[in-house]
Amino acid sequence: DTAVSQTPKYLVTQMGNDKSIKCEQNLGHDTMYWYKQDSKKFLKIMFSYNNKELIINETVPNRFSPKSPDKAHLNLHINSLELGDSAVYFCASSQGRRLVIADTQYFGPGTRLTVL
Amino acid sequence: DQQVKQNSPSLSVQEGRISILNCDYTNSMFDYFLWYKKYPAEGPTFLISISSIKDKNEDGRFTVFLNKSAKHLSLHIVPSQPGDSAVYFCAASVIGGSNYKLTFGKGTLLTVNP
Repeated sequence: DTAVSQTPKYLVTQMGNDKSIKCEQNLGHDTMYWYKQDSKKFLKIMFSYNNKELIINETVPNRFSPKSPDKAHLNLHINSLELGDSAVYFCASSQGRRLVIADTQYFGPGTRLTVL
Repeated sequence: DQQVKQNSPSLSVQEGRISILNCDYTNSMFDYFLWYKKYPAEGPTFLISISSIKDKNEDGRFTVFLNKSAKHLSLHIVPSQPGDSAVYFCAASVIGGSNYKLTFGKGTLLTVNP
């Protein structure tokens, strides 16, 4: 009964390929996020969705396209993978009460993407 | 442009002693701060938070102190236990914005030696 789950956990692929990472949360949260942790260990937000609506897009290349089929799922599709895309990608979710009180974000276990 | 800085990449303490992890921020708009703990091959786990209207928040062995004038916060763990060994991330946010997000520091690896 994992709260925030991601698949796959590891992904090794060649440059130029297209790949997807899936995320699901069973917490009933309204908001979901994608973060990237690069080789310098910074955790940086990429996207945020609230009730399937995109609310944050942090100047991420348009090769990255998030898709939220419903509020429990936020998938990340990456086209034409590049070496610099190698990183750990974390999905997170929160209740989405950001206008009233700060939200606690709950993270998935991460997907380690390696582009060769 | 690092808005949240954790200048110590690592810290080693003896079991039973106090661990003090530090965090500095530059954006004066930040008004809510969080600490996350991360074990290898797992996602970050929320530990404790503090609002800018407070200067201290305590939860069991964990206490977070906030010094707004210095734009500095610290996490104290007393007593430290070997199971506390993990990477600790400081994060900051602005409440009430339509694009609420967390800005993270680079993390500090804490090792608690038995």
